[in-house]
Amino acid sequence: AQTVTQSQPEMSVQEAETVTLSCTYDTSESDYYLFWYKQPPSRQMILVIRQEAYKQQNATENRFSVNFQKAAKSFSLKISDSQLGDAAMYFCAYRSEFRRTYKYIFGTGTRLKVLA
Amino acid sequence: SQTIHQWPATLVQPVGSPLSLECTVEGTSNPNLYWYRQAAGRGLQLLFYSVGIGQISSEVPQNLSASRPQDRQFILSSKKLLLSDSGFYLCAWSSGTGVSYEQYFGPGTRLTVT
Repeated sequence: AQTVTQSQPEMSVQEAETVTLSCTYDTSESDYYLFWYKQPPSRQMILVIRQEAYKQQNATENRFSVNFQKAAKSFSLKISDSQLGDAAMYFCAYRSEFRRTYKYIFGTGTRLKVLA
Repeated sequence: SQTIHQWPATLVQPVGSPLSLECTVEGTSNPNLYWYRQAAGRGLQLLFYSVGIGQISSEVPQNLSASRPQDRQFILSSKKLLLSDSGFYLCAWSSGTGVSYEQYFGPGTRLTVT
């Protein structure tokens, strides 16, 4: 079974600095999707960025980018020029394409604090 | 554009009482639908998912059940709530046609069982 591991329960970053959140996953599949979601204090889950496993190019969305290392099964999120509004729980997620199960597996999350 | 609704936003129920949480999606057809529970400060636990009307897959055996009476409606129920059922319940949808692959979440329901 697939697993997603976020080994950093909590991280802190100074405003305007850069921070990287780690995520590793375990799978025997070759076709899948990876996501980072943000959950602010409102608890609304917001999609930050997604990566298709078949794409070698790392995804980028404004200040958010990923470092996708397929062989190492690593999918880290880099937040540049951190802002106070980036403070939230961040979840890494995996979606299998095997047999069209359409299931998503989430990590336990990393709480990001942004210091003014 | 697609929208997902959940209600109620907050619910306080006594132990042993029934539960019904509703989720509806607008602006898409044949979505995949999901129910998650999130304990305070914890990750998401998948409870149920559905790829079509009447098709429900259960991930965690417990006193909860789910139904999908219409294409874009997903209901989470319980006949008798337990204290351990307290938590934050999230409904989500994803495309059933492969147009996109991400999940979209509703605003959630905070359930407190007393």
